[in-house]
Amino acid sequence: GQNIDQPTEMTATEGAIVQINCTYQTSGFNGLFWYQQHAGEAPTFLSYNVLDGLEEKGRFSSFLSRSKGYSYLLLKELQMKDSASYLCAVRGHSGGGADGLTFGKGTHLIIQP
Amino acid sequence: DTGVSQDPRHKITKRGQNVTFRCDPISEHNRLYWYRQTLGQGPEFLTYFQNEAQLEKSRLLSDRFSAERPKGSFSTLEIQRTEQGDSAMYLCASSYDRERLNGELFFGEGSRLTVL
Repeated sequence: GQNIDQPTEMTATEGAIVQINCTYQTSGFNGLFWYQQHAGEAPTFLSYNVLDGLEEKGRFSSFLSRSKGYSYLLLKELQMKDSASYLCAVRGHSGGGADGLTFGKGTHLIIQP
Repeated sequence: DTGVSQDPRHKITKRGQNVTFRCDPISEHNRLYWYRQTLGQGPEFLTYFQNEAQLEKSRLLSDRFSAERPKGSFSTLEIQRTEQGDSAMYLCASSYDRERLNGELFFGEGSRLTVL
């Protein structure tokens, strides 16, 4: 089975940097995704890691260590619109369909002025 | 093609009634997924289609739930004899084969079900 843990809620200040951690235990591993979800809206894709290391995309970066079962999402130059839930999801061998994902519960990020 | 679309966006029903949700995936995608999401939780996998074949179903999908994708395009999710515990957002997602891209899932806006 799959087990994915991430903090329930985090608070950060506009213009600052925040790191959202995710740890996972899976039966097989075929990639880790981060999605952003604003209240009442669909999740939208942010990043994908399948090899160890850092992937950078604008203000967002994601890191993966497969040996540690660990990932983080780094958000820089925070803006008020970044207030959302951030979902860590793992593609493994069970529980999500052949290429479906198993999601964590999400981290609710609150940006303060 | 503007993305994955779901209908209806909101449904309020009385306990014991049947409801049906429809999902139209991105046209080139051959894989289609149904997820359920409750407040404060991440999406939970329900079932998955490759073309018209339903290849996997979660234990969450009781016998009151049935999903179809008759022509390998749109899909329907039916819930019979609804219960209050069925109240949730039902999300549909679609994707390419993993071999073409990273297998990213594209989600629809969801169908929110409230069972009174």
